[in-house]
Amino acid sequence: NAGVTQTPKFRVLKTGQSMTLLCAQDMNHEYMYWYRQDPGMGLRLIHYSVGEGTTAKGEVPDGYNVSRLKKQNFLLGLESAAPSQTSVYFCASSYRTGRTEAFFGQGTRLTVV
Amino acid sequence: DAKTTQPPSMDCAEGRAANLPCNHSTISGNEYVYWYRQIHSQGPQYIIHGLKNNETNEMASLIITEDRKSSTLILPHATLRDTAVYYCIVRVLDNFNKFYFGSGTKLNVKP
Repeated sequence: NAGVTQTPKFRVLKTGQSMTLLCAQDMNHEYMYWYRQDPGMGLRLIHYSVGEGTTAKGEVPDGYNVSRLKKQNFLLGLESAAPSQTSVYFCASSYRTGRTEAFFGQGTRLTVV
Repeated sequence: DAKTTQPPSMDCAEGRAANLPCNHSTISGNEYVYWYRQIHSQGPQYIIHGLKNNETNEMASLIITEDRKSSTLILPHATLRDTAVYYCIVRVLDNFNKFYFGSGTKLNVKP
């Protein structure tokens, strides 16, 4: 049981390049989330999904797109990376009912130069 | 979701109890108190949550005041591995389980 797995773990991008971060969970969770964490700060919610085929904006959605084509996967895309998107990105997932805590992945450290 | 206030940092001696305070004076009746911790930039880890009663699990105890305006997370016997940033979060349960993190408390457990 791997829990929440993020790919890749590290990436360096040049300004203007695009990339996709993959999040996979094997707990059959309905809800999935993408957060970013800048140095010395708490996590901020970028986008979230409450089910397959649905997505919604969080606190800081600008510059990012997401897709949830399969229940177990949640993709975060950067179409044109900017230095301000240098951050650590965390994916999380949770059940819709019952246990309501979120389970987090180990993070993706992204640097945009 | 209600705002929370936590001290930026605290020290604790190894083997002693660590008591981490959280103020949430604007909490509503349907908001729960959750605690997470983040060890050295890893993904946050769930610790415990509660509504109004005190809660205990294998990791910690959560004490919520009667007026629910503040709470304390207690790690009964802190170890060096408990050094982490601890986040107190209050939220309603029906907001799709979204969590809004503040800056947290950096707990330094010292030998």
